[in-house]
Amino acid sequence: EAGVAQSPRYKIIEKRQSVAFWCNPISGHATLYWYQQILGQGPKLLIQFQNNGVVDDSQLPKDRFSAERLKGVDSTLKIQPAKLEDSAVYLCASSLVAGEDGNTGELFFGEGSRLTVL
Amino acid sequence: QKEVEQDPGPLSVPEGAIVSLNCTYSNSAFQYFMWYRQYSRKGPELLMYTYSSGNKEDGRFTAQVDKSSKYISLFIRDSQPSDSATYLCAMRDLWGNNRLAFGKGNQVVVIP
Repeated sequence: EAGVAQSPRYKIIEKRQSVAFWCNPISGHATLYWYQQILGQGPKLLIQFQNNGVVDDSQLPKDRFSAERLKGVDSTLKIQPAKLEDSAVYLCASSLVAGEDGNTGELFFGEGSRLTVL
Repeated sequence: QKEVEQDPGPLSVPEGAIVSLNCTYSNSAFQYFMWYRQYSRKGPELLMYTYSSGNKEDGRFTAQVDKSSKYISLFIRDSQPSDSATYLCAMRDLWGNNRLAFGKGNQVVVIP
């Protein structure tokens, strides 16, 4: 079974530039998550989709971050304009719906996209 | 007060030692408790999953949950160099749309 795919793996940009990250979840997983992991910290949820609808985006800085999941499969996360404090690893994860058919809702993570803002 | 507290200090142990990690939390609604392992430059992967209080053992790994104290632990017996990674605790409540609250993680180095 293929895992969660993310690209690019690494990106270096200057502040005020824009960047986009792409995620392809595990086939059949209805729920998709974008997490931000700053060095030395645990992942912080930015946005959660179920199919192509947003479930939780309460911690997404909406003045500069946007995300979409067209057709309920792939997703993109965009940052425009980037700030120095956006330097982090952006992790995409997917899961089955927790509680359905006894699923635990285990999150499967991709390898992440490492962003450096100079 | 953060929802989940995990002292992020690195931990170096000799091969074969027991590794003990723990987290405390403040939200009494948390019902599901997890430990994720994250190798360098990789995404986290689920290591242990526990519902409510009690112990769970899987090979060299034991997870403990004490809901009365809001305290969870992970023990690694007979540690191996391949256990060198960052260990993140995570938890969620019954109704939280599967939103996980993570600790900061502990970097563990097992020295051969």
